[in-house]
Parts: sequence; structure tokens; C-alpha cells
Amino acid sequence: GAVVSQHPSWVICKSGTSVKIECRSLDFQATTMFWYRQFPKQSLMLMATSNEGSKATYEQGVEKDKFLINHASLTLSTLTVTSAHPEDSSFYICSAHIGGSYQETQYFGPGTRLLVL
Amino acid sequence: AQTVTQSQPEMSVQEAETVTLSCTYDTSESDYYLFWYKQPPSRQMILVIRQEAYKQQNATENRFSVNFQKAAKSFSLKISDSQLGDAAMYFCAYRSPDDKIIFGKGTRLHILP
Repeated sequence: GAVVSQHPSWVICKSGTSVKIECRSLDFQATTMFWYRQFPKQSLMLMATSNEGSKATYEQGVEKDKFLINHASLTLSTLTVTSAHPEDSSFYICSAHIGGSYQETQYFGPGTRLLVL
Repeated sequence: AQTVTQSQPEMSVQEAETVTLSCTYDTSESDYYLFWYKQPPSRQMILVIRQEAYKQQNATENRFSVNFQKAAKSFSLKISDSQLGDAAMYFCAYRSPDDKIIFGKGTRLHILP
């Protein structure tokens, strides 16, 4: 099946710094990738839709200036948490969409655990 | 707005027995996809089963099957011959025509040896 990787798998940073998380589709091209956030013992909440070559679409309540998304190629999307604060500590998961066929589905990366001190 | 509801926060089943996880959803769309995802302690999301709304036949994948009732907007997951490795968080999910996936709150499944 399709493989999606994320880097780093976990990161600890100081409050006020910025953190970049990469999401890569390893064996397929993804015109659309999605970023989710998951707090402990909670469900995944969609943050934004990342489209290759265009601006990301953010869900209501998600600060686009704080969570910068860049989808520079068909295999890479990045999420940058700017000026991170302890409340940004969470598990961030990306997914890549394979469409245009009867096997439409999303494949998820392994996630990135962010801890802001 | 589309919503997905899982009314069972936790469930337990004896090993080798059968368990059914419930899910209901709300949408005004006629064409969509429904999924069950498994999230083990590693937190990697694993696709368990997929159902296209236009298909009346219930999807099956080995020990996993669904009961899809489109009119009732119900999409339950049945796990037969439960195994210890099935212990995980299970999320019911709805994919809208714009490819967004909305997840339910999840059901934590415990397998009793």
C-alpha cells in the first residue's frame, strides 16, 4: 500500500520558537494532503487542506498565520508551527489523498509528537 | 454540516468472540465514502475497511465487516473471532465530496484473554 512518512517523529522545543514538520508521500504523488491535530484521548481534528501549488485551506478556528502550510511538490507538504506555545503541544498527523479511482482513500503518516516547554 | 457519532467510548470483548462497534453519521450528500480506522498505541492510523455509499453491498475484509444502512445513516463495524491484536482505538470516519474526512470520537476496544 501507499506509504506516507513524517519527520520528525517527535520534537521538543522552547516556547516562542518555530517548528517545521514534513509530510512525504513516498511511492505516489499527492495533489492533496491534509493536516490533523490530535489531543490525548481525543479524535483527529482536521486543521487544513494542503494543495500542491496553491494556498492551503484552513478549517474554522485554525490560525493560518500560526500554522503555516506549504505544499511545494506533489510529494511534500510542510507544517510550520510559528511562535509555539505550550498549548500547541499535541500530536500532528498528515494524510495524503489518492483519488481519481475506485480506490479513493487517504493514507496517514505516523504522526509527529510536539512538546512545547 | 456533516457529523459522525460513535456512542460507545469503550467496549470489551472476549478473545475469539464477536463484537460490533456502532457509528451513525449525518449528511445531506448522496455520494460519499465511509471508513473505519484503527489506531493502536503506536498512534499510526490504519485503514480497516471502506464503504462507498452508492454500493448497497456491505464491505468485508477478512474478519471485519460492516452493516451499512444508508437510509438510517448507520455504519457499524463487526469484528469476528476477536484477537488480542485487535485492541485499539477505532474511529468511524466520513469522507465528503471535497475529500475532507470527519472522524467520530472513537471507541476504545479491549480484548479480554
